[in-house]
Amino acid sequence: QVQLQESGPGLVKPSQTLSLICTVSGASISSTNYYWSLIRQPAGKGMEWIGRMYPSGGVYYNASLRSRAIISLDTSKNQFSLTLNSVTTADTAVYYCSSGTQHQGLHSWGQGVLVTVSS
Amino acid sequence: DIQMTQSPSSLSASVGDRVTITCRASQVISNFVVWFQQKPGRAPKSLIYATSTLHSGVPSRFSGSGSGTDFTLTISGLQFEDFATYYCQQYYTYPMTFGQGTRLEMK
Repeated sequence: QVQLQESGPGLVKPSQTLSLICTVSGASISSTNYYWSLIRQPAGKGMEWIGRMYPSGGVYYNASLRSRAIISLDTSKNQFSLTLNSVTTADTAVYYCSSGTQHQGLHSWGQGVLVTVSS
Repeated sequence: DIQMTQSPSSLSASVGDRVTITCRASQVISNFVVWFQQKPGRAPKSLIYATSTLHSGVPSRFSGSGSGTDFTLTISGLQFEDFATYYCQQYYTYPMTFGQGTRLEMK
């Protein structure tokens, strides 16, 4: 069973860069069976899909982030990561890592990490 | 983007009840729908994928149905541990989009 654990900065200043790491266990991040995704949820609001990456290199992002997001894999550490540039207070949210498959969609989730954007 | 309109937004029920949550997509999405359960402070848990297939270990009191644009999650015989928030999500096309959630509360 795939398990995911998020780690993040907790607090980021406006205009700076948010970096989030997802550590994967129970599966290889290089496996072509899975894709790796990030989702966020502002307090009291709905979930927003950020993007997903296939180990083959295909990456898809939500256009709403206006090219500020980058998802990358670190196969040596079995991790994937999110970099979100030029953050504003609107980026304050609980960020989730997730894995999925083409057939099953998102099937495993991390517990989530709260990232607050504030000066 | 495909809009997923979930209803009701909240629901009060008792142990043993049968409850139904509905999700309507703004366009046809075949059967590419998943349902999640979320409890405060815990990782979301995927219950059902491809509209009606239960993930391993999910109790059979959960069921999903639908096609095209209209989808339903039914819990037959509510248990105490089922009181949570439920979300639908489409994975037919990018960006993946979610319903707004249904908070299932104890009456």
